[in-house]
This record gives sequence, C-alpha cells and structure tokens, in this order.
Amino acid sequence: NAGVTQTPKFQVLKTGQSMTLQCAQDMNHNSMYWYRQDPGMGLRLIYYSASEGTTDKGEVPNGYNVSRLNKREFSLRLESAAPSQTSVYFCASSPGHSYEQYFGPGTRLTVT
Amino acid sequence: DAKTTQPNSMESNEEEPVHLPCNHSTISGTDYIHWYRQLPSQGPEYVIHGLTSNVNNRMASLAIAEDRKSSTLILHRATLRDAAVYYCILSTSGTYKYIFGTGTRLKVLA
Repeated sequence: NAGVTQTPKFQVLKTGQSMTLQCAQDMNHNSMYWYRQDPGMGLRLIYYSASEGTTDKGEVPNGYNVSRLNKREFSLRLESAAPSQTSVYFCASSPGHSYEQYFGPGTRLTVT
Repeated sequence: DAKTTQPNSMESNEEEPVHLPCNHSTISGTDYIHWYRQLPSQGPEYVIHGLTSNVNNRMASLAIAEDRKSSTLILHRATLRDAAVYYCILSTSGTYKYIFGTGTRLKVLA
C-alpha cells in the first residue's frame, strides 16, 4: 500500500516550457487535491477533484490545468512555466470532504 | 473562508507536554477544526480533528473552547521527532478547501 505517489521528485524547467506532474493514490479515495508551497509559507490549494469526473478551482488556479484521469490518478499541467511557479507541489487524497487528507512526498519544481 | 491565527514558533523540552494554541474567532457552526503537521522535507501529516467536543487519539489531544473560537493541540510528551510545523485549519462541511496558514514551528530541545 504505497498511499499517495508523485512523479517526478525534482524538475527544472526553462520559462515557457510545459510539463505535467503526476499523482496516484491506491486508497480508493474519492477526492484528490493539488497544493503548492512556497518557501516559508503554508500550502495553497490550486485545484481539487471532489470525485471522479469533476474538478474545481482552489485559491491559486491561474497558470495550471488538471485532469482527473480516473479514480486513482490526478495530474497537474503547467502549459507555459513561469519563474513564479517555482515551488514544491503536493498532491493529496481523502475519502471525501471533512475527512483527513493524505499527502504525497512532493515535487520540487524550479523554473529558470 | 474562516481564518486561523497561530504563534510563529514555540519551544518545548523533550518529554514535557506541549500546548499549541490556535485562534479562530470567525468559525461557523459547521466548520471542523483540523490539525496537521509537516516534518522537514515531507508532505503534511494528519494529526487530529474535531467539531465541538474534545478529541483524543494516539498522537495527540484536541481541546476545543466552549465557544469554539479557539482550540489547543496537546502533545502529551514531546519527543525530538515531534519537531515540525503544526497547522491549524478550518474546513467548512460541504466544501473541500483547506486554508493553510503559516503554522507554528515547534522546536523540541533535548
């Protein structure tokens, strides 16, 4: 039982490049989330998926797109990376709202 | 969205109890109170949550004020492994949005 896994662990992009961050959970959870954490700050919600087939914006969705591919997988795409998107990205899942969230180990992204 | 206020940092001696406070004066009746912690270079980890009554689990206790405008996370015997940033978060029933603040950085002294 791996919990929440994220790939890649580290990534360096040049401004304007695109990439997709992958997240998968094996706990049969309905809800999944993407957060970003800037240095010295708390986490901010980018997008979430309450259940398979639905996605909604969080606090800071600009510059990102998401896909809930199936119940297990929730990907985050940066179409045209900017230095302001340099951050650590965490994926999380939960059985549903108001339940505890389980976080992945994070992806450290640097945009130069 | 209701916000929380926590001290930036606290220190505790190893093996002693730690009381981490959180103020949430704008909490509404359906808001749950959650606590997570984040160890260095890791994702956040669930600690405990509650609605109105005090809660206990194997990691900690959560004491909720009668008016629910504040709460306290209690670690009964701090260990070096408890050194982390502790986040107090409110979530409104029916929504999926956690609003993380900057948390309290707990330092445990040997």
